Amino acid sequence: DAGVTQSPTHLIKTRGQQVTLRCSPISGHKSVSWYQQVLGQGPQFIFQYYEKEERGRGNFPDRFSARQFPNYSSELNVNALLLGDSALYLCASSLGPGGYGYTFGSGTRLTVV
Amino acid sequence: AQTVTQSQPEMSVQEAETVTLSCTYDTSESNYYLFWYKQPPSRQMILVIRQEAYKQQNATENRFSVNFQKAAKSFSLKISDSQLGDTAMYFCAFTPYDSNYQLIWGAGTKLIIKP
Repeated sequence: DAGVTQSPTHLIKTRGQQVTLRCSPISGHKSVSWYQQVLGQGPQFIFQYYEKEERGRGNFPDRFSARQFPNYSSELNVNALLLGDSALYLCASSLGPGGYGYTFGSGTRLTVV
Repeated sequence: AQTVTQSQPEMSVQEAETVTLSCTYDTSESNYYLFWYKQPPSRQMILVIRQEAYKQQNATENRFSVNFQKAAKSFSLKISDSQLGDTAMYFCAFTPYDSNYQLIWGAGTKLIIKP
């Protein structure tokens, strides 16, 4: 069974541009969460979706948005990119929101120049 | 604010030795889950061990075990018979039941296993 799949692996964007990151959860997992990990730090929670509804939002500006599709895959969109948005973006899936423990993808490394 | 503190930025031990990574957390919640995740250079976060706060028995997974002290809000990870493949960043995280289950993370400990 495939794990959590994220695409693209790496990308470079210019300040002010928009980016879309994609995540496919493990088959059967209905919860998807997004985290931002700046180099040298622990991840920071951005969003959680469960059954296609937003269940949680972290302390990120409105430039960050996400959605979950009927097949439970998810997209994270970031508008008006800033240099400070450069980070590793991690997607995690689980059977449901809760303490099952999340399975993470390998992340998308976003560099804003 | 709910926080996680990992006081050891970096540790190194010889292969086959035992090492303990420290983690303390702060929350007013009484029900929560605690986790240790490993992040090797491949970047993927890998779940090492999980503890439910209402369980007094410490979780174990093969060479990995925890010392969970709820009153002290402490959750340390012990790695026995350390192996070269254990070299990675280790993150402590917790999620309160009522937080929409978002994970709150520490800053991580870089663990180096020397041959």
